[in-house]
Amino acid sequence: GDQVEQSPSALSLHEGTGSALRCNFTTTMRAVQWFQQNSRGSLINLFYLASGTKENGRLKSTFNSKESYSTLHIRDAQLEDSGTYFCAAEDSNYQLIWGSGTKLIIKP
Amino acid sequence: ETAVFQTPNYHVTQVGNEVSFNCKQTLGHDTMYWYKQDSKKLLKIMFSYNNKQLIVNETVPRRFSPQSSDKAHLNLRIKSVEPEDSAVYLCASSAWDREDTQYFGPGTRLLVL
Repeated sequence: GDQVEQSPSALSLHEGTGSALRCNFTTTMRAVQWFQQNSRGSLINLFYLASGTKENGRLKSTFNSKESYSTLHIRDAQLEDSGTYFCAAEDSNYQLIWGSGTKLIIKP
Repeated sequence: ETAVFQTPNYHVTQVGNEVSFNCKQTLGHDTMYWYKQDSKKLLKIMFSYNNKQLIVNETVPRRFSPQSSDKAHLNLRIKSVEPEDSAVYLCASSAWDREDTQYFGPGTRLLVL
């Protein structure tokens, strides 16, 4: 089965609200990265975590390697947050295993 | 400007033709990558390359080959394109250190008729 399971596959939020995306891992991962792919197709790195929690503006991400998951929280969503979000986990061989993405739509 | 640059943005070609996509990074990184993103937005690693090692995803057909002149450039050549090669090809780079976050180019969209 897939080593990285990302959920939900799609999410719709109203401006100003928030939610969380999650990636579950079926094997032990060394680190996780989160990316946003915007409407132009550019992949922008949001976070790199080897452990713990990082916050950047309205985004916060947590990586728990023992319990094999990572989350990305978005608060006070804005229209420009629309896009597809990917997690990518680094396995023990330093290979990146990608999630299938979450398509996020922010509605006015 | 330091970033990852890709050319062309789009390419339309016919089955059997050869195509080549360019990627250059000005971030001073040691490692570069090529990904294929299909119509469902699934990302698949094709190659990763630094000056020591080329790692090839074993599922990549042999008609695909990476070409590097130096650590700042990694081009992708497709010898004889097939319809299933239609996709977006994304180039990325990273530094070989503890936090090797990958930085992506804007992608090259290929359409094979």
